[in-house]
Amino acid sequence: DGGITQSPKYLFRKEGQNVTLSCEQNLNHDAMYWYRQDPGQGLRLIYYSQIVNDFQKGDIAEGYSVSREKKESFPLTVTSAQKNPTAFYLCASSVQAYTEAFFGQGTRLTVV
Amino acid sequence: GIQVEQSPPDLILQEGANSTLRCNFSDSVNNLQWFHQNPWGQLINLFYIPSGTKQNGRLSATTVATERYSLLYISSSQTTDSGVYFCAVRGSGNTGKLIFGQGTTLQVKP
Repeated sequence: DGGITQSPKYLFRKEGQNVTLSCEQNLNHDAMYWYRQDPGQGLRLIYYSQIVNDFQKGDIAEGYSVSREKKESFPLTVTSAQKNPTAFYLCASSVQAYTEAFFGQGTRLTVV
Repeated sequence: GIQVEQSPPDLILQEGANSTLRCNFSDSVNNLQWFHQNPWGQLINLFYIPSGTKQNGRLSATTVATERYSLLYISSSQTTDSGVYFCAVRGSGNTGKLIFGQGTTLQVKP
């Protein structure tokens, strides 16, 4: 089936560890995005990529890193520099930067 | 950057009632989407509507781009309509950021 797959669904991390969240799409979309959602809040943009080998910081990029080596993949690394990483992380993609965006099912990250 | 405000923040309805959710934005946009976030957190696309009116079953949406607002109408609400409704926009001068409002939390009671 076509779609956006995020894994894992739940992730637990010890303080001081880096973790990588996976986002894969088979929709042949050029643009991909990472958002963070805190309880009772809207979504805030972390990073976005409009094309392979290119990405831009969003509004809350500090403590995160990404790569876009393949069109279908946009992994997000939450580094130990991120002070409050516990949140719900959502990945999205769109055909191009200005077109309709579609979301994956999300990853819930908890720091223990 | 562009600001997105949604109202009301919370809404409680009896099953069968109608409702209108509003999204105001502070600058011109070339993309506006409405989403429904279900209890498991997934965002479901409702409408891609940078301008004009669209309908899909009991839901319809209207965007008046010149006046910088969009409305989402839910008719004959059902308990399965409960959840959070988000409006998200891309500014016309922006290269790709999709900016979200804070959402409207809807509870439909049986």
